[in-house]
Amino acid sequence: GESVGLHLPTLSVQEGDNSIINCAYSNSASDYFIWYKQESGKGPQFIIDIRSNMDKRQGQRVTVLLNKTVKHLSLQIAATQPGDSAVYFCAETATYSGAGSYQLTFGKGTKLSVIP
Amino acid sequence: DTAVSQTPKYLVTQMGNDKSIKCEQNLGHDTMYWYKQDSKKFLKIMFSYNNKELIINETVPNRFSPKSPDKAHLNLHINSLELGDSAVYFCASSQVFRSGYTFGSGTRLTVV
Repeated sequence: GESVGLHLPTLSVQEGDNSIINCAYSNSASDYFIWYKQESGKGPQFIIDIRSNMDKRQGQRVTVLLNKTVKHLSLQIAATQPGDSAVYFCAETATYSGAGSYQLTFGKGTKLSVIP
Repeated sequence: DTAVSQTPKYLVTQMGNDKSIKCEQNLGHDTMYWYKQDSKKFLKIMFSYNNKELIINETVPNRFSPKSPDKAHLNLHINSLELGDSAVYFCASSQVFRSGYTFGSGTRLTVV
């Protein structure tokens, strides 16, 4: 089946540097993408989303880039802080399975470690 | 105020037992979900309910039975627990189509 995957399972960055987390997806019908952050012992937390009619979206210290041509998604974190240490997931959906319900397919996750 | 709350946070039980995990959301969302996260952190959807109606039922053993008494609650009952059921189970909710999910903090189930 089609799936969402990540290039790098772990990423270590120096505090203050920028981080880039990548995600490849294979379902060409996917039209909505979300990045989640999961800290140890907690549930995934919404960071930022992007629809397929956009190729870039910015939030506070985070930017998501979408390249539909190569089916690639990335999350950029500016001035990475120790509090950014977590597992990051990309998620995608192309299925609308009923009124108000849709199914998110998650990638494998990348663990980001920030070195003080 | 906890938006999506699950109980218990930890659950250790023996094989063959029956257990339930409860989930409640106070966000007024119409749709609720159960996801299973394995030891490699992979998240996989199990069930989805919209206004108490089952929408998604992935390939999950029928030992798992979700129950939604109202749209703010989605409980998960598991019969005859097996070692392979050990995982972290997350409840989530969403409102309108494609608005992102809000997750609970998870229930770590350990079957011994």
